[in-house]
Amino acid sequence: DGGITQSPKYLFRKEGQNVTLSCEQNLNHDAMYWYRQDPGQGLRLIYYSQIVNDFQKGDIAEGYSVSREKKESFPLTVTSAQKNPTAFYLCASQAGTTQETQYFGPGTRLLVL
Amino acid sequence: QKEVEQNSGPLSVPEGAIASLNCTYSDRGSQSFFWYRQYSGKSPELIMSIYSNGDKEDGRFTAQLNKASQYVSLLIRDSQPSDSATYLCAVQNYQGGSEKLVFGKGTKLTVNP
Repeated sequence: DGGITQSPKYLFRKEGQNVTLSCEQNLNHDAMYWYRQDPGQGLRLIYYSQIVNDFQKGDIAEGYSVSREKKESFPLTVTSAQKNPTAFYLCASQAGTTQETQYFGPGTRLLVL
Repeated sequence: QKEVEQNSGPLSVPEGAIASLNCTYSDRGSQSFFWYRQYSGKSPELIMSIYSNGDKEDGRFTAQLNKASQYVSLLIRDSQPSDSATYLCAVQNYQGGSEKLVFGKGTKLTVNP
C-alpha cells in the first residue's frame, strides 16, 4: 500500500524535553511538509523540503527542527524552545511538480504533561 | 501575507439539500485550488482540485473558480449526514519553484437527517 505514515499517534511531552515526530512516505514524492493545526484554526506550515538534504522554514518554524536525509523520511523535532507545543501535527507529501496534490498522513497529536 | 478566507460556519443544511461553501484568496497569482474534507480528529483528504475558471464536477461535488473575483466555491448536492465535516480551502502559487499551499481556517458543515 502506498501512503504516508506518521508515528506515534499520540505523544506526550514533559517540560524541557525534545520530542521527535516521525513521517515516512512510499509514494516516491519529492516534496514533504509539516503543518500544525490548533482547534478552530487552519493548517500552518512549519517546515518543508522539496529535495533531499534541503529544507526551508515555513510560517511558524521557531521551536522546531527537521532533517531530510532520505527521500522517504522527514522527521520533525519539537524542541524545548517551543513553549506551546500542544497541537495536531500533520505531515504531507507532494510529487513536486506543478498542479500536484498534497496528500496527508494520519497525524500525531502532541500533548504536554 | 497571502490569505485565504472562509466562512467559519457552522453551516447547517438538511439531508438532500445543496451545501454551498465559499472561499476567497488574496494572491492574484494563485494557480491551483483545492478543497479538502476533514472529519473530526482525522487528517484532511482531497475532495476536488481546480485550475481553470469555470465549473468542475465530480459526482455530487462541483468546484467553481472565478480568478477575476479571486473566489472559489464548493457545492455539495444531495447532502448526506456523512458529509458532515470541516471543509478546508487551499490555494497554491508555485511561481518561484515553491509548491506551498495556503489554507483557510475551514468551514464546519453539519448535514441534519
